[in-house]
Amino acid sequence: GQQVMQIPQYQHVQEGEDFTTYCNSSTTLSNIQWYKQRPGGHPVFLIQLVKSGEVKKQKRLTFQFGEAKKNSSLHITATQTTDVGTYFCAGPPGGTSYGKLTFGQGTILTVHP
Amino acid sequence: KAGVTQTPRYLIKTRGQQVTLSCSPISGHRSVSWYQQTPGQGLQFLFEYFSETQRNKGNFPGRFSGRQFSNSRSEMNVSTLELGDSALYLCASGLAGYFEETQYFGPGTRLLVL
Repeated sequence: GQQVMQIPQYQHVQEGEDFTTYCNSSTTLSNIQWYKQRPGGHPVFLIQLVKSGEVKKQKRLTFQFGEAKKNSSLHITATQTTDVGTYFCAGPPGGTSYGKLTFGQGTILTVHP
Repeated sequence: KAGVTQTPRYLIKTRGQQVTLSCSPISGHRSVSWYQQTPGQGLQFLFEYFSETQRNKGNFPGRFSGRQFSNSRSEMNVSTLELGDSALYLCASGLAGYFEETQYFGPGTRLLVL
């Protein structure tokens, strides 16, 4: 079945440093979604990428979807303590996949002030 | 618009018992998906309901079941609880559950099985 791998598993940064997490799927994705989960919280939708090579920005966050639609990345510029949490990528598996997302294992980001 | 609500938020049960969790989707959303989140396995899809019908199911044993009501509210049931069922159970709602839609997660029910 479809597998979505995310690296790194953990990332510790000093406040102000940049951060990047990478997501790779074993199959081509129709779209990829990114979620953030704060400690003790639930996943919150950040963004969806649909087109090959698509790049989207949200303030300090930059999201990219690979040309082959099998990989994606999230880059945070100048991290802040409010960026702490786990970042997940997720994609729908192929075929009839109502409501189902396959999630990566997530990257846990710690920001030291 | 109110978000996805889940009740109860916390639950402690013992092995062998059964549990029912409830999820109310965002108003107007008709698709409800359930996920199990554990530190070891991450987020895993349980099942999805739309118009009271289960349309999709993950790889979980038959002890895990669910249903959806005509008002789109959904419940999931876990029978004969095992220690490994301790997890955060999340439901997510969507308009119709299509792959291009965004899913909105509820706060989850944290289940501890002793």
